[in-house]
Amino acid sequence: GENVEQHPSTLSVQEGDSAVIKCTYSDSASNYFPWYKQELGKGPQLIIDIRSNVGEKKDQRIAVTLNKTAKHFSLHITETQPEDSAVYFCAAASNYQLIWGAGTKLIIKP
Amino acid sequence: GAGVSQSPSNKVTEKGKDVELRCDPISGHTALYWYRQSLGQGLEFLIYFQGNSAPDKSGLPSDRFSAERTGGSVSTLTIQRTQQEDSAVYLCASSLGLDNSPLHFGNGTRLTVT
Repeated sequence: GENVEQHPSTLSVQEGDSAVIKCTYSDSASNYFPWYKQELGKGPQLIIDIRSNVGEKKDQRIAVTLNKTAKHFSLHITETQPEDSAVYFCAAASNYQLIWGAGTKLIIKP
Repeated sequence: GAGVSQSPSNKVTEKGKDVELRCDPISGHTALYWYRQSLGQGLEFLIYFQGNSAPDKSGLPSDRFSAERTGGSVSTLTIQRTQQEDSAVYLCASSLGLDNSPLHFGNGTRLTVT
């Protein structure tokens, strides 16, 4: 079946540096790619998403890039801050169904 | 406005007992999803509702799990004869139900089976 691979599983960066998380999907029909941030004890929260007709989208310190030919997409966080520490999930969707990556624990070192 | 509300936030139960978990979606959201998340793990899809009907029940782990949705709003997930491996956080999400509309999650119910 369809799957989404997410790397790395854990990422530790110095505060102020950039963080990049990468995902690869298998279903070529996928047309929607959201990223969610999950803080401890809370449900995932949408932080940015991109649709298949767009190659890049930016929202302040967060950006997502999509390469449909290679079937991969990435989350970029610049100027990382302590509050960016969380688990990040990527997903790929076709119709109503979201296929989720396994998550990346992002640690921001002071 | 109000987000997705789940209750209880925590539930401890003895093995073999039945439990009911409740989800109140965002008003006007026609699609509702249940997921399970074990400690430190990803999201495991359980079931999806569009209105009151469940076109996809493929993720329910066994016949001990069932879910219903009434009035196109509140949903309950029922686990019968709970087992220790059922211990997890159960997350509910809702969306507008349009193609690829974003999911809004509740904070989950943490279920512990002793």
